[in-house]
Amino acid sequence: KQEVTQIPAALSVPEGENLVLNCSFTDSAIYNLQWFRQDPGKGLTSLLLIQSSQREQTSGRLNASLDKSSGRSTLYIAASQPGDSATYLCAVPAGGNDKLIFGTGTRLQVFP
Amino acid sequence: DAGITQSPRYKITETGRQVTLMCHQTWSHSYMFWYRQDLGHGLRLIYYSAAADITDKGEVSDGYVVSRSKTENFPLTLESATRSQTSVYFCASSGEGENTEAFFGQGTRLTVV
Repeated sequence: KQEVTQIPAALSVPEGENLVLNCSFTDSAIYNLQWFRQDPGKGLTSLLLIQSSQREQTSGRLNASLDKSSGRSTLYIAASQPGDSATYLCAVPAGGNDKLIFGTGTRLQVFP
Repeated sequence: DAGITQSPRYKITETGRQVTLMCHQTWSHSYMFWYRQDLGHGLRLIYYSAAADITDKGEVSDGYVVSRSKTENFPLTLESATRSQTSVYFCASSGEGENTEAFFGQGTRLTVV
């Protein structure tokens, strides 16, 4: 059974720092991995999807990497801003294009 | 509006009542999902659907019923609400293929008293 874990559970940093959020999964036979952002009281916003054939995916200040063999993905946030404060979730499909298995999330706070 | 919308956003109901949460998407995505989010449990899958008239149970389906007569709608019904079903419910959709993103609605906060 696929299990997804995120470390750290919470992170508080001053503005301007570069951050790394970690996601690990137990079954490396995945088609892709998706990173989401969730603001308090809101839904999930898709940030990046990395296909299994890719090693990295970039969107603005965000860079996500994927190492299937080691069962790990990292989300790198460059030059963090207070507006980046949110919970970040990673998710992998349980099989094909169906149900996502979510990590436990990292709650990020960036203070001015 | 394009996207995926849920209604209502907030709902308070009494134990034993039937309540239906609505989900509508405008992308004609094949796949639709219902998740619940609880402190300490994260996001858990309740039901999913691969196409109209095709549904399947997820991890925590007991006490819930779904239907999908049209591609764009995927209502979730709590047949007889219990306090343990107090939660935030999220609907999501995704397209065909192995590498399509999932998109989520804004959620419905349900309180069962």
